[in-house]
Amino acid sequence: AQSVTQLGSHVSVSEGALVLLRCNYSSSVPPYLFWYVQYPNQGLQLLLKYTSAATLVKGINGFEAEFKKSETSFHLTKPSAHMSDAAEYFCAVTYSSASKIIFGSGTRLSIRP
Amino acid sequence: GAVVSQHPSRVICKSGTSVKIECRSLDFQATTMFWYRQFPKKSLMLMATSNEGSKATYEQGVEKDKFLINHASLTLSTLTVTSAHPEDSSFYICSARDPLTDEQYFGPGTRLTVT
Repeated sequence: AQSVTQLGSHVSVSEGALVLLRCNYSSSVPPYLFWYVQYPNQGLQLLLKYTSAATLVKGINGFEAEFKKSETSFHLTKPSAHMSDAAEYFCAVTYSSASKIIFGSGTRLSIRP
Repeated sequence: GAVVSQHPSRVICKSGTSVKIECRSLDFQATTMFWYRQFPKKSLMLMATSNEGSKATYEQGVEKDKFLINHASLTLSTLTVTSAHPEDSSFYICSARDPLTDEQYFGPGTRLTVT
């Protein structure tokens, strides 16, 4: 079975500071990994995905994530936070492009002025 | 990018009535659509996988007679919440898979409130 664990339900950083949202996965087969962002009362927007190509994945809005098999991690980072980054972030896993996606519990990112 | 729409975006209904939510892929044909439910401040829980022309596959614990799913065409899947109760109030999100790109695209969600 596959699962993802997001450490920290709420992360708060200052504007301009580094953003680090943690995600660890569990999968018996090589995983496909995703990060999604959700703004209040809206659907999900794909930030980036890992599909066994490059381990460092660059996404939209300046976000990137690194797949580390040895640590079973796929942490999301952004060098400098903007106020507009405040949202809910979900890490997710699947084992093939056609399969259901399993979501983590989410991390709410707050940005302090 | 590809667009998935949901209708309605918000619905309020009385307890005991049924509500239908539509999920449409606007610029691609989706052989597979997924229905998720999201409780306040919680993650998305997959309810069922909907394949065009066949019966939906429900996740464990999801009542198939309560949540009726129909995927009658390659661009439309519907979720009907039958005999809705206040505990069915939630945010329902669909996603559609584009078989040409293997990408899944999410709809904007439908907020259901049962009074």
